[in-house]
Formats: sequence, C-alpha cells, structure tokens
Amino acid sequence: EAGVAQSPRYKIIEKRQSVAFWCNPISGHATLYWYQQILGQGPKLLIQFQNNGVVDDSQLPKDRFSAERLKGVDSTLKIQPAKLEDSAVYLCASSLGGTAYEQYFGPGTRLTVT
Amino acid sequence: AQSVTQLDSQVPVFEEAPVELRCNYSSSVSVYLFWYVQYPNQGLQLLLKYLSGSTLVKGINGFEAEFNKSQTSFHLRKPSVHISDTAEYFCAVSDGDDMRFGAGTRLTVKP
Repeated sequence: EAGVAQSPRYKIIEKRQSVAFWCNPISGHATLYWYQQILGQGPKLLIQFQNNGVVDDSQLPKDRFSAERLKGVDSTLKIQPAKLEDSAVYLCASSLGGTAYEQYFGPGTRLTVT
Repeated sequence: AQSVTQLDSQVPVFEEAPVELRCNYSSSVSVYLFWYVQYPNQGLQLLLKYLSGSTLVKGINGFEAEFNKSQTSFHLRKPSVHISDTAEYFCAVSDGDDMRFGAGTRLTVKP
C-alpha cells in the first residue's frame, strides 16, 4: 500500500512570497490533516478535512493560509504572503476516520522563509 | 480542550538499558491516547494507541505503555533499548474530534 505522498520535500522562499504544498493521502482514507511542526515542537493541527469538507480549521491563520481538498482526495496548502515565523515542517496525514484512528504521516515539506 | 505534557525534553540512555518516557494529559472527557515516533527527516509513525479496554498496551518495536486514569498519565516503556531507537517520541491525546500532540521527547541511545 502506497503511503502519504507530499511535495516538494524542501522549499526556500523569501518573506512576502507565496508557496504551495501538495499532499496525496492513502487511497480510501476519508480524513486528511495538515500540521505545522516548528523546530523543537510537536505537530500543531492547522486543518482537518473529512472527505472534501472542513472539520476543524480553528488554528489555521486564515489571513495568510488557505487549504483545499479537491474531490475528497488530494489537498493543497497555500501560504500567501509568507512570514519568517512560517519556517517549519508541514506534515500531511490521513486516516480512515476521525482522530480516534491511526494517522499515517507523509515525510513532510521543510519550508525555510528568509 | 485537552492538552499533553511530556515531562522530559531529552532522555539519554545506554544501549540495552530500560527506558521510560513520561506523558501526562488533561481532559474533561474520555480520551484516546497515542505514542508516535519520528526518525530524522521522516514523518511520524504510530507506536501504539489506547482506545479502551486493557490499560497496558503493547506496540511495535518492543514498546509498551500503561494508561493510568487516576494519574492522567500514559508513560511509554521499553525494557531494553537499541541504538536504532534513537528518535523523537510524541505523545498525543484525542477526544474523538480534536487531537493534540506533546512537545516531544528526544531519546538518545548511546553505545
């Protein structure tokens, strides 16, 4: 079974630029998560999708971050404009159901904002 | 909302020694508890989980954890560690809707 795919693996941008990350979850997984992991911290949930609907985006900085999940499969996370404090690893995860289920994580995208 | 506290940010230990990584949580409702491991430059991988039933949970790679409701703890243990267990370990708590991760414990196994 293929795992969660993410691209790119690394991205360096200047502040005020925009960036987008892509995630392809495990086939058949209804729930998709985007996390932000700042160096030395645990993952922080940014947004949770159930199929193509948003379940929880309470911690998403909506003035600069946006996310969508097309047709309940792939997802993109965008930052526009980026700030220095957005430097982090962005992790995508998927699961069969809600947060009581095991989450399968992708390798992450390491973003550096200069 | 629930929260998770991992009591040790770093735990150094010698190979073949036992180890315990401590995790405490707070929640006003019943919870599900998880331990994940993260190797360098990789995503997180589930070690074990507690949903209900027996409070002693066994996971992969010889790890186990015990759910203690009265002490609101879910400590992770391994009787004998290997060099390959060197990684970051995250405790997480869910109420079924909302998931929260701890800040992580870096386990370093020395030869």
